[in-house]
Amino acid sequence: AQSVTQLDSHVSVSEGTPVLLRCNYSSSYSPSLFWYVQHPNKGLQLLLKYTSAATLVKGINGFEAEFKKSETSFHLTKPSAHMSDAAEYFCVVSRTSGGSYIPTFGRGTSLIVHP
Amino acid sequence: DSGVTQTPKHLITATGQRVTLRCSPRSGDLSVYWYQQSLDQGLQFLIQYYNGEERAKGNILERFSAQQFPDLHSELNLSSLELGDSALYFCASSVSWEGRETQYFGPGTRLLVL
Repeated sequence: AQSVTQLDSHVSVSEGTPVLLRCNYSSSYSPSLFWYVQHPNKGLQLLLKYTSAATLVKGINGFEAEFKKSETSFHLTKPSAHMSDAAEYFCVVSRTSGGSYIPTFGRGTSLIVHP
Repeated sequence: DSGVTQTPKHLITATGQRVTLRCSPRSGDLSVYWYQQSLDQGLQFLIQYYNGEERAKGNILERFSAQQFPDLHSELNLSSLELGDSALYFCASSVSWEGRETQYFGPGTRLLVL
């Protein structure tokens, strides 16, 4: 079984300050981990993914995430928030087993950026 | 623009009815995934098709079914609709069947069941 917990339903930051969106996962298998962003009335867009290569993963728009197996975490960070970062962010854990792809989504974190 | 198209954008129907949602994957992508996003359940994986064959099943109800056609477009059929089926339905596509692949999401179909 696998699960993912996004620890904050809302995160509020000021423009130019750091962003931290927290994600903890549980998986019986070696997981792949993803962060997706969803802007209002849009589909999801991949920010970055971890697939058992480097533990520090760099994504688009200045975001990065670090896979910490000992802490079962995959937190998303950005050094300086921009107004355009305001959106919903989803952490996803998936495993591929026997030819099946089983993704589990977190409930999402809404990032609010104040001017 | 992800290259994945979904039609229709909006759908309003009544309880007990049947609807079909359509998805065209990005050119060259063989896998199509369907997801449901609702306030109650969040984002849930429904089903995956790869090159015309069902590959994986998630939390898909028996009233729902899907298929992928030879031209790789996919349809999600929802029948005996209930109020709780009101949600945003996304499809996504990727090159292969593996879970590590980047998925490209369409803009979604918003279904309202009255």
